[in-house]
Amino acid sequence: EAGVAQSPRYKIIEKRQSVAFWCNPISGHATLYWYQQILGQGPKLLIQFQNNGVVDDSQLPKDRFSAERLKGVDSTLKIQPAKLEDSAVYLCASSTATHSGNIQYFGAGTRLSVL
Amino acid sequence: DQQVKQNSPSLSVQEGRISILNCDYTNSMFDYFLWYKKYPAEGPTFLISISSIKDKNEDGRFTVFLNKSAKHLSLHIVPSQPGDSAVYFCAASANDYKLSFGAGTTVTVRA
Repeated sequence: EAGVAQSPRYKIIEKRQSVAFWCNPISGHATLYWYQQILGQGPKLLIQFQNNGVVDDSQLPKDRFSAERLKGVDSTLKIQPAKLEDSAVYLCASSTATHSGNIQYFGAGTRLSVL
Repeated sequence: DQQVKQNSPSLSVQEGRISILNCDYTNSMFDYFLWYKKYPAEGPTFLISISSIKDKNEDGRFTVFLNKSAKHLSLHIVPSQPGDSAVYFCAASANDYKLSFGAGTTVTVRA
């Protein structure tokens, strides 16, 4: 079974530029998550999708971040414009359900450096 | 606010000995706890979990203990092997989907 795929693996941009990340979840997983992991911290949830609908985006900085999941499969996360503090690893995860105890499967992440 | 805390950023242990990783939480609504393992340049990988109705769960060399009254859980790895060298994240969830993660503990297993 293929895991969660993310691209690109690395991205370097200058502040105020825009950037987009792509995620393809495990086949059949209805729930998709985007996390931000800053160096030295644990992953922090940015947004969660159930199929193609947003379940929770309370931690997403909506003035600069946006995400979509067209057709309930692939997802993209965009930052526009980027700030220095956006430098982090962006992790995508997927799972089969949303109840407590559900295991989330993570991709390798995209490491973003904002200069 | 950080609801899940891993107060030890690193742990060094000799191969064959026991590794004990600790995790504290503040949210009494958490009812499920998970440990993830992360190698460099890879995403976190699920390791083991425990429901709040249990106080122990064992899977091979890995055992997780839960002390609800103390809001504390620990992961025991016995015996520790070189391949166990990684960052370990404690995570918790309430009656929803959200996972709250600790900051991680870097384990180094010495030969």
